[in-house]
Amino acid sequence: DADVTQTPRNRITKTGKRIMLECSQTKGHDRMYWYRQDPGLGLRLIYYSFDVKDINKGEISDGYSVSRQAQAKFSLSLESAIPNQTALYFCATSEAGGAGELFFGEGSRLTVL
Amino acid sequence: EDQVTQSPEALRLQEGESSSLNCSYTVSGLRGLFWYRQDPGKGPEFLFTLYSAGEEKEKERLKATLTKKESFLHITAPKPEDSATYLCAVRDSGAGSYQLTFGKGTKLSVIP
Repeated sequence: DADVTQTPRNRITKTGKRIMLECSQTKGHDRMYWYRQDPGLGLRLIYYSFDVKDINKGEISDGYSVSRQAQAKFSLSLESAIPNQTALYFCATSEAGGAGELFFGEGSRLTVL
Repeated sequence: EDQVTQSPEALRLQEGESSSLNCSYTVSGLRGLFWYRQDPGKGPEFLFTLYSAGEEKEKERLKATLTKKESFLHITAPKPEDSATYLCAVRDSGAGSYQLTFGKGTKLSVIP
């Protein structure tokens, strides 16, 4: 089993729908992140969490919200999806105090029609 | 503002043809430079961390080097299984140092 698991792997939805992407990890890391990847733009940070009670906005948080349900679980929500949120979303983890190496899940491909 | 530029955008090599990928960066202070490999439909996979100019790291056919302005990923005698997109990222030692700034990647294709 993967150390960082994302569900769903693929999702097609319509404009205005609420969507939740879930992430769970077995690496025992305290820090979790949500990134978005778009062709030609690279990876951009949406939200990050250093522990259950510490959640912070990243570079592109508008239109997104997150919930850290437990040390191992971090979910990303789109309250009202719009077409320009069509992208590949990655969850990642890292150790606290480490150099910052990120360990990524396999991604959730979201299409908003 | 931190910036990371990778070149070339795409590179096609014959099997066994060695080459280098470039990552140039601008940060106020470098806390770490990271290389990742990403296969199609997969998440990025960590390869190396470099911390200071002059440092080198090796793994199989890959060697990463670092200067004060850029990093190179040297690929020696590549094989088709080395085909992937290689991402470079930096961590700034200043405010907001929790964030990595990623480049757009170099897509490497190794032809048998």
